[in-house]
Amino acid sequence: AQSVAQPEDQVNVAEGNPLTVKCTYSVSGNPYLFWYVQYPNRGLQFLLKYITGDNLVKGSYGFEAEFNKSQTSFHLKKPSALVSDSALYFCAVRVPVYNTDKLIFGTGTRLQVFP
Amino acid sequence: EAQVTQNPRYLITVTGKKLTVTCSQNMNHEYMSWYRQDPGLGLRQIYYSMNVEVTDKGDVPEGYKVSRKEKRNFPLILESPSPNQTSLYFCASSVTGVSTGELFFGEGSRLTVL
Repeated sequence: AQSVAQPEDQVNVAEGNPLTVKCTYSVSGNPYLFWYVQYPNRGLQFLLKYITGDNLVKGSYGFEAEFNKSQTSFHLKKPSALVSDSALYFCAVRVPVYNTDKLIFGTGTRLQVFP
Repeated sequence: EAQVTQNPRYLITVTGKKLTVTCSQNMNHEYMSWYRQDPGLGLRQIYYSMNVEVTDKGDVPEGYKVSRKEKRNFPLILESPSPNQTSLYFCASSVTGVSTGELFFGEGSRLTVL
């Protein structure tokens, strides 16, 4: 079955430290992978995507993600966390359906950055 | 400003009372979709639409209806709401689908069915 997993419900990190939010996937064919962020009382916002090419993808707000085909992972990273990065983060993978594609979302990881 | 607008943002209703959540986008996007967000389950797709007059079921369509009479609007209809439809609902749109483009989300509609 095609799926995406975020193994951590919450990640806590001190401001200024590097952060990693984990995502693994299971999909047939070449994966298209996405990260979205949800701030309190807001809709999801696109952060970055991997379609093909360089395994390290850079996105908004200083975030980046590393695609690892052998480990079927797409972890989100940031070198230096900010308190304002505290939010809910969703990993998503594209899967084909009969007339289009759809995104399957992970269950989300809450990132808490402490001052 | 490019945006997806949902209304109402908050709604408390009772079992069986028909309601509609409206969604409108001003980006001339062909693709629109509805999701519900529940704790521990992430986002699940309810319905989607590839273009005007074209709608298809997502993963959890039971109890919902949609229509796409105009490109910009994609209302979600709950004909007879039940408590298990208490959830946070999001409308989203994109240019032509999700393959390579990003989804633009509305700010959500929190629905409580008593």
